[in-house]
Amino acid sequence: DAKTTQPPSMDCAEGRAANLPCNHSTISGNEYVYWYRQIHSQGPQYIIHGLKNNETNEMASLIITEDRKSSTLILPHATLRDTAVYYCIVPTGTSYGKLTFGQGTILTVHP
Amino acid sequence: GAVVSQHPSWVICKSGTSVKIECRSLDFQATTMFWYRQFPKQSLMLMATSNEGSKATYEQGVEKDKFLINHASLTLSTLTVTSAHPEDSSFYICSARARKETQYFGPGTRLLVL
Repeated sequence: DAKTTQPPSMDCAEGRAANLPCNHSTISGNEYVYWYRQIHSQGPQYIIHGLKNNETNEMASLIITEDRKSSTLILPHATLRDTAVYYCIVPTGTSYGKLTFGQGTILTVHP
Repeated sequence: GAVVSQHPSWVICKSGTSVKIECRSLDFQATTMFWYRQFPKQSLMLMATSNEGSKATYEQGVEKDKFLINHASLTLSTLTVTSAHPEDSSFYICSARARKETQYFGPGTRLLVL
């Protein structure tokens, strides 16, 4: 697996952008970066994924550096409901391989 | 996104009994389903991978005779915890994906063994 490194926790004020970083320096050329989040006592929720280009959907934006060794998940206008553990994952081998969950980043959104 | 359901959402059972958990993909055909376990304050740990119509592949350290997995159709996988004991109490989560697509997770099943 391409190992990912995330800060253990981050805070964000409601209404502001939340920028969650992830390092994946050993990622190989055909491996995707996936982001999931887990709200307390629920199953993980898919957010977004990308290979090399920046991606945006209704939930978030994903910015991947040109060398692909790191990425940033951006929640443009964080709400209290965005408080969760955010996982940055590089699946084993292929874009649809096994997901290995690390400890993720606990994002706390404050009023 | 795709919807994955699990049933039951929580279950309490006596030690020594067996418990079956169902995982269904509601709006897509899941060629592969995954089962995870999560203990309090820990991350998700993959238990096994199952492909429709074939035997499940278990991760190292997961007892295949204790955690029976059946993936008989493209929309249903079941996990049976046989002879459950208190140490099996955990949050069990399934995920499903269509061929070469994103994994989507179910809401999880909380198991408490007394």
